[in-house]
Amino acid sequence: AQTVTQSQPEMSVQEAETVTLSCTYDTSENNYYLFWYKQPPSRQMILVIRQEAYKQQNATENRFSVNFQKAAKSFSLKISDSQLGDTAMYFCAFMKLTYDKVIFGPGTSLSVIP
Amino acid sequence: KAGVTQTPRYLIKTRGQQVTLSCSPISGHRSVSWYQQTPGQGLQFLFEYFSETQRNKGNFPGRFSGRQFSNSRSEMNVSTLELGDSALYLCASSAWTGTNEQFFGPGTRLTVL
Repeated sequence: AQTVTQSQPEMSVQEAETVTLSCTYDTSENNYYLFWYKQPPSRQMILVIRQEAYKQQNATENRFSVNFQKAAKSFSLKISDSQLGDTAMYFCAFMKLTYDKVIFGPGTSLSVIP
Repeated sequence: KAGVTQTPRYLIKTRGQQVTLSCSPISGHRSVSWYQQTPGQGLQFLFEYFSETQRNKGNFPGRFSGRQFSNSRSEMNVSTLELGDSALYLCASSAWTGTNEQFFGPGTRLTVL
C-alpha cells in the first residue's frame, strides 16, 4: 500500500523568503503522479503543482517548484518569495497512473510572517 | 466554468440520524471523489464514481454510501450517524483525461451532536 509522509507539521517563513516543505512516499509502482495541494483557511483545496514520475525534469509553477528524487522517494516543495497569501495547509499527495485513489499526507501548516 | 459546488455548506445532526450531502462537479467532469477530513485522521478517501459506477472505495463502514447520477452529480449518504462522523466532507471532480487533476469543492461541515 502507498503511504505519504510529511515530517513537518508546522512551519513558518518570513515574507519574501524561501521555504521548503518536505514529503516522502512509499510505493512499489514505477509510474505515478505526485501533487502538492494548498488548503487556505477558507478551506477551498487547490492544486499547486503536479509531477509525473516518468518525467525527470522537476515541475515549476511561477514561485513554486519541486525537487523530485525518484530513487529516494522524495518530493519537496519550494516556495520562493513567500507571500502572505501562501499561508495555508499544504498536502503532498500520491496517485497511481491507473486511477486508484489519491493518498494524502498529513499536511504541513505554513505561516507566512509579515 | 463554474467550480465544484457542495450543498449544504454546514449541517448539524444528532446521533442516529442520517444525512445526505450533494456535490455538483465541474461541467464535463465524469469522475467524482469524496473525502473525509478530520484533525485526527487527516484526509481520507471515501469513494470515487465515474459514469454512475463506483470505481474505488476506501476503508469506511457500510454506513457510508454514495451514488452518481447521469448528469455526474453525486450524493453521499451517512446513516446512523456517530459522533466520530463529525468532519469536513470534501468532494472533488476530475475530467479523467490523463492529467488526473482533481478540483475540490468548498466542503460540507458536518457536526454530529
